[in-house]
Amino acid sequence: NAGVTQTPKFQVLKTGQSMTLQCAQDMNHNSMYWYRQDPGMGLRLIYYSASEGTTDKGEVPNGYNVSRLNKREFSLRLESAAPSQTSVYFCASSAGVVLEGELFFGEGSRLTVL
Amino acid sequence: GESVGLHLPTLSVQEGDNSIINCAYSNSASDYFIWYKQESGKGPQFIIDIRSNMDKRQGQRVTVLLNKTVKHLSLQIAATQPGDSAVYFCAETPYSGGGADGLTFGKGTHLIIQP
Repeated sequence: NAGVTQTPKFQVLKTGQSMTLQCAQDMNHNSMYWYRQDPGMGLRLIYYSASEGTTDKGEVPNGYNVSRLNKREFSLRLESAAPSQTSVYFCASSAGVVLEGELFFGEGSRLTVL
Repeated sequence: GESVGLHLPTLSVQEGDNSIINCAYSNSASDYFIWYKQESGKGPQFIIDIRSNMDKRQGQRVTVLLNKTVKHLSLQIAATQPGDSAVYFCAETPYSGGGADGLTFGKGTHLIIQP
């Protein structure tokens, strides 16, 4: 049981390049989330999908797009990467729309934009 | 102590001692609180949670205390072990029955275990 799997684990981009971070969960969870983690700051929510077929903006959505491809997969796209998007990105999932207990995180994707 | 808004970088304790990590929150409407552990190079892991109608909850070697009067949350780890070395952070949400989109995360406290 892999839990939440993110790819790639590391990526270096040049300013203006695009890329997609992939996330898949095998726990049959309804809700999925993308966060970024920057030094000295708490996790900040970029986008989330409360259930299959829906997506909503979080605290810091600018410069990102998401796709809830199916119940298992939730991808995060950077259309034109900027140095300010250098960060560690975490995908997470939870069983229900209502947060009860655990929010399961992936291992993170470290992105550097030059 | 840590605040959902302030940062206490490091807490150093001797192996075998008890550790206490603190978290202050500012929203008096906060209803649900969670502690996470994040080991180096890994994603956060759920440790324990507590709702605002409780003031204490115990897990395996961990206890969370909630003082709503002073808006303070603490995580106590008994008999600290080397494997407890990690960054610990609290999260809170004011939305009773809401989703994780309502969570606000603290910046974390780095717990270092001295041999």
